[in-house]
Amino acid sequence: AQSVTQLDSHVSVSEGTPVLLRCNYSSSYSPSLFWYVQHPNKGLQLLLKYTSAATLVKGINGFEAEFKKSETSFHLTKPSAHMSDAAEYFCVVTEREKLTFGTGTRLTIIP
Amino acid sequence: DVKVTQSSRYLVKRTGEKVFLECVQDMDHENMFWYRQDPGLGLRLIYFSYDVKMKEKGDIPEGYSVSREKKERFSLILESASTNQTSMYLCASSQQGFFGYTFGSGTRLTVV
Repeated sequence: AQSVTQLDSHVSVSEGTPVLLRCNYSSSYSPSLFWYVQHPNKGLQLLLKYTSAATLVKGINGFEAEFKKSETSFHLTKPSAHMSDAAEYFCVVTEREKLTFGTGTRLTIIP
Repeated sequence: DVKVTQSSRYLVKRTGEKVFLECVQDMDHENMFWYRQDPGLGLRLIYFSYDVKMKEKGDIPEGYSVSREKKERFSLILESASTNQTSMYLCASSQQGFFGYTFGSGTRLTVV
């Protein structure tokens, strides 16, 4: 069975500093992995996805993630945080087209 | 613009009531899903469907059932609502073999 562990439930960074949101996964198959973002009182938005092509995946709003099979990780990064990045972020793994979500990381940006 | 529409944004029901949550997609997607979202638990899969009249249990199906009589509509049914079913419910759809999922905006259900 597949599973996802988001290592931090809450991350705070200052505006203009780098962002790192950590995710480890477990899957019996070659996984497809996603990051979704949910802004307050908004729906889920796809940030980026990995589907066995390039291991470094670029997404929207300057985010990127690197798939590391040896470490079973798919960490999300951004070089410089912006106030609008404040939201909850979910790491997701698929199996048979069924999504399994992590418990989420709430990102707070300090002005 | 492609859409997944959930019929109610907010819903308040009494304990023991039968509750229907409706989801409609206009993208001709084969797959449809129901999740519930709770703080600190992320999104958990309740039921999903790969085709009309087909359904499979997700991770937390107890207390729920589903119906898919038409391709575009996937209904979640709470047979006898309980307070521990107070939650945000999210519907999603995807095309078979394509990893593009579209989520509805959610229904916040409160059971009193």
